[in-house]
Amino acid sequence: DAGITQSPRHKVTETGTPVTLRCHQTENHRYMYWYRQDPGHGLRLIHYSYGVKDTDKGEVSDGYSVSRSKTEDFLLTLESATSSQTSVYFCAIRQGEFEATEAFFGQGTRLTVV
Amino acid sequence: GQNIDQPTEMTATEGAIVQINCTYQTSGFNGLFWYQQHAGEAPTFLSYNVLDGLEEKGRFSSFLSRSKGYSYLLLKELQMKDSASYLCAVLDSNYQLIWGAGTKLIIKP
Repeated sequence: DAGITQSPRHKVTETGTPVTLRCHQTENHRYMYWYRQDPGHGLRLIHYSYGVKDTDKGEVSDGYSVSRSKTEDFLLTLESATSSQTSVYFCAIRQGEFEATEAFFGQGTRLTVV
Repeated sequence: GQNIDQPTEMTATEGAIVQINCTYQTSGFNGLFWYQQHAGEAPTFLSYNVLDGLEEKGRFSSFLSRSKGYSYLLLKELQMKDSASYLCAVLDSNYQLIWGAGTKLIIKP
């Protein structure tokens, strides 16, 4: 199994509070992704990173920010959590972007905003 | 826009065969992936197709027709543990993964 872990696995937070989710990999893969998964929508890309300090927005980036200060860690921050951000969040890694390589996923973080 | 369509839900019987279809319209094509996702778990890689034709891996096979923008995942000798969602994803011209909403497969005894 690919070495990718997410923390926390579950979190309940209040509306308006900041929240940070962590993704840690031991594979030294260059590309890292944050997705959210909601019923009926499949996986939607929030942000991705193609190297240390190199990140870009996905299709649902509003209200989220990311940081990657080390190859192995990719952080997702909800600046001020809203109920619409209640979701399951998955981190994924890929060895190379401009290659046909599969993505490996972390176990997910279930976030509830109350 | 980019679009991937899969049936929302399918039901099949243990021991039978089921085919899950995926049609896509994307900006470019660099391959198509199938993933399996059990409830409450992460997606796991099943197969990858980039050329037309059938790829077989044990009980699972995946087919691709690039001219038709169409793929299917074929599951044979269904087992109860095959109950899961099956996700289709296309690698577009920028090598970004575009995901379908997934097909929930229910296996009945």
